[in-house]
Amino acid sequence: SYELTQPLSVSVALGQTARITCGGNNIGSKNVHWYQQKPGQAPVLVIYRDSNRPSGIPERFSGSNSGNTATLTISRAQAGDEADYYCQVWDSSTAKVVFGGGTKLTVL
Amino acid sequence: EVQLLESGGGLVQPGGSLRLSCAASGFTFSSYAMSWVRQAPGKGLEWVSAISGSGGSTYYADSVKGRFTISRDNSKNTLYLQMNSLRAEDTAVYYCAKALTMIVVPLDAFDIWGQGTMVTVSS
Repeated sequence: SYELTQPLSVSVALGQTARITCGGNNIGSKNVHWYQQKPGQAPVLVIYRDSNRPSGIPERFSGSNSGNTATLTISRAQAGDEADYYCQVWDSSTAKVVFGGGTKLTVL
Repeated sequence: EVQLLESGGGLVQPGGSLRLSCAASGFTFSSYAMSWVRQAPGKGLEWVSAISGSGGSTYYADSVKGRFTISRDNSKNTLYLQMNSLRAEDTAVYYCAKALTMIVVPLDAFDIWGQGTMVTVSS
């Protein structure tokens, strides 16, 4: 089965740039989606199909995807960006949705 | 306002059954694929099942296949998850989620999520 690998945690200084990676075999050939989840809340879509932002998501959030790694980049990190972030793909070989294990972002 | 509202969660004994519902509003329900995603306490997100806009195509995670059934009633704008033979490891918050498009293969991103309903399987 297809697996997505995310770092357990990422730390970033206030106002700096955070990068959260999502690794998978040839993930560059798939559409990658990213979700933000704050404690006690439902997930929120922040990037879809590698690099597209839903309406209402700040331009500070961006995404890229190539080779075996997809990356969510959060520029000018704010305290309010502290959350768990999950990447997700559709695995066409098994017809299943796959989520990464999640990354806890801490803003210092 | 686009909204999803889950209901039906609760405490059930191992081996028991439960049916979750998800009432949709604010969009043309039949035009979008829908999914159930769960999250065990303190754990990450786990996809459970998906259904096409018409209801004609369904997909399941291996962990629930044969025990759970996803369905929808487009006349009532409601998504369902029938859960049978429940196990302790099914304990989780269950979210319903709307896909960006109607098709389920490939399933697109989930742009709208409900607030979740808690299912606890315990004796």
